[in-house]
Amino acid sequence: NAGVTQTPKFQVLKTGQSMTLQCAQDMNHEYMSWYRQDPGMGLRLIHYSVGAGITDQGEVPNGYNVSRSTTEDFPLRLLSAAPSQTSVYFCASSFSRTGELFFGEGSRLTVL
Amino acid sequence: GENVEQHPSTLSVQEGDSAVIKCTYSDSASNYFPWYKQELGKRPQLIIDIRSNVGEKKDQRIAVTLNKTAKHFSLHITETQPEDSAVYFCAASIGGATNKLIFGTGTLLAVQP
Repeated sequence: NAGVTQTPKFQVLKTGQSMTLQCAQDMNHEYMSWYRQDPGMGLRLIHYSVGAGITDQGEVPNGYNVSRSTTEDFPLRLLSAAPSQTSVYFCASSFSRTGELFFGEGSRLTVL
Repeated sequence: GENVEQHPSTLSVQEGDSAVIKCTYSDSASNYFPWYKQELGKRPQLIIDIRSNVGEKKDQRIAVTLNKTAKHFSLHITETQPEDSAVYFCAASIGGATNKLIFGTGTLLAVQP
């Protein structure tokens, strides 16, 4: 099993550009989520999904969209990137609603 | 909104000493409290967790305690080793029966050889 796979690992955008961070898991996990990690602020939940077709907002959802058309994939879309979205993004999944979260390797995004 | 406070933000200990990291949470419905370790440039990984029906849990050199009344939980690492050096995050579930987590701001632990 590859676990949780995120692409790209690094990305530089200009303000106003759009992009999608990809996340895929091969563990048949129902629950998937996106976090951003900023210095001194820990990990903050952006969006999460409890199953295909179901998504909900976390602590910091503004500026981000998600969809969950399959169990395996949970892409995160930035429609119009802003410098405040410069961060490291982690996708995570778990088998159950109270199970261990497995994180991807992270995607470092810089918005100029 | 719900939040988790974590202290200290940095902790330096000598190899072989114990390290303690403390967290407090605000959501009375929180019932799941994991601890994650993140080495530099790597992903966070679960090291131990505790649920609200248990007061203490131990796994070799690592232990976690939970005081639901005070909304406190702590991570204890005994006989620290240089490979324990990392950032440690506590987290609390939002509401009951969920892995929607609120994380603390992290503790940078440095174990001096």
